[in-house]
Amino acid sequence: AQSVTQLDSQVPVFEEAPVELRCNYSSSVSVYLFWYVQYPNQGLQLLLKYLSGSTLVESINGFEAEFNKSQTSFHLRKPSVHISDTAEYFCAVMNSGGYQKVTFGTGTKLQVIP
Amino acid sequence: DAGVTQSPTHLIKTRGQQVTLRCSPKSGHDTVSWYQQALGQGPQFIFQYYEEEERQRGNFPDRFSGHQFPNYSSELNVNALLLGDSALYLCASSLDDGYGYTFGSGTRLTVV
Repeated sequence: AQSVTQLDSQVPVFEEAPVELRCNYSSSVSVYLFWYVQYPNQGLQLLLKYLSGSTLVESINGFEAEFNKSQTSFHLRKPSVHISDTAEYFCAVMNSGGYQKVTFGTGTKLQVIP
Repeated sequence: DAGVTQSPTHLIKTRGQQVTLRCSPKSGHDTVSWYQQALGQGPQFIFQYYEEEERQRGNFPDRFSGHQFPNYSSELNVNALLLGDSALYLCASSLDDGYGYTFGSGTRLTVV
């Protein structure tokens, strides 16, 4: 069975400051990893994903995440946050090989303070 | 290109009733997964449909059932509604490879 732990339920950060949202996963097999973002009263949007290759993956809006197999982590970072980044962020894992369900963490609410 | 469409957006039902939620996947996607997101929680996997068959199922009782049609659209049915079934129900579509879902905006179900 696979599982995801997001250590912080809420992260307040001032605008233009850096942020890191932590994610650890557990699985007995190789995994694919995802970050999704959810704005109020909306569904989830895929932010970035790691399938294979380079362990550092980036999104189009400045977020990045690094897959660390030894630490079973996939932390999300942004060097300078904007007010518009205020949302809830979900880390997710899927066992590799396709045909598998995606398991989500409990989410981290990022609150950007002006 | 339309994304994932879910209907209705909001629904209020009485305990013991039955409900049907609908989902149209993103164009080109053939796999539909349903998730339940309770308030303040992450999405919980209910089941996944591919080629009109339930391929995987999460830890949900038989009161939760579904269907996928030849055009890949899907329905989620919940019988004998409980207060605890109140949640946002999310439909996600993907290609069979599962490499990243596209989510709909969800159906907010309130059971009173």
